[in-house]
Amino acid sequence: SAVISQKPSRDICQRGTSLTIQCQVDSQVTMMFWYRQQPGQSLTLIATANQGSEATYESGFVIDKFPISRPNLTFSTLTVSNMSPEDSSIYLCSVEVGTSRGPQHFGDGTRLSIL
Amino acid sequence: QQQVKQSPQSLIVQKGGISIINCAYENTAFDYFPWYQQFPGKGPALLIAIRPDVSEKKEGRFTISFNKSAKQFSLHIMDSQPGDSATYFCAATGGSQGNLIFGKGTKLSVKP
Repeated sequence: SAVISQKPSRDICQRGTSLTIQCQVDSQVTMMFWYRQQPGQSLTLIATANQGSEATYESGFVIDKFPISRPNLTFSTLTVSNMSPEDSSIYLCSVEVGTSRGPQHFGDGTRLSIL
Repeated sequence: QQQVKQSPQSLIVQKGGISIINCAYENTAFDYFPWYQQFPGKGPALLIAIRPDVSEKKEGRFTISFNKSAKQFSLHIMDSQPGDSATYFCAATGGSQGNLIFGKGTKLSVKP
């Protein structure tokens, strides 16, 4: 297992601003993922972040809107840029523990509201 | 082919009853099938997972049944309790996927 801490846990932001979400893991992990979960909905993958390489984005998500950093094996950030009300959502970090396609564990998410 | 279809969308069960949630997939390269439990305000928590080399896995009151030929898997919660009331997500990964593909979720309510 892994303990995943996300900061902030929630925020209310103004339209047009940017927010950086941090994800800290208590152990070294190779693969980290960022998901978005709209209220009452399922999880949608934004991007995969591996240390030492550029993040890989899913269709519908672009680096200019959601830049990701992965400076080491225990930390990653996701920035939501130039926010609009449509970005109001829960943003979740997850990590894969152990071998490839092993268990993935999630943080408690960042609840973001855009006014 | 990347979808995971989950049903029902919502489920109401009496305390002590059996809750059953079903999922189906298309991609035969999937080889890892976890179930997650999510309470309001929390992230999804890994509940139980199965790989296709077994047809059933049991952990306490939670059992996954897996039918490889039908490309279906299900979660059974025995002796359901009000504390089990949560949203449950099935997921799958494998082949060229590194990330999980999630079902749409089932909101379970267990009535006392």
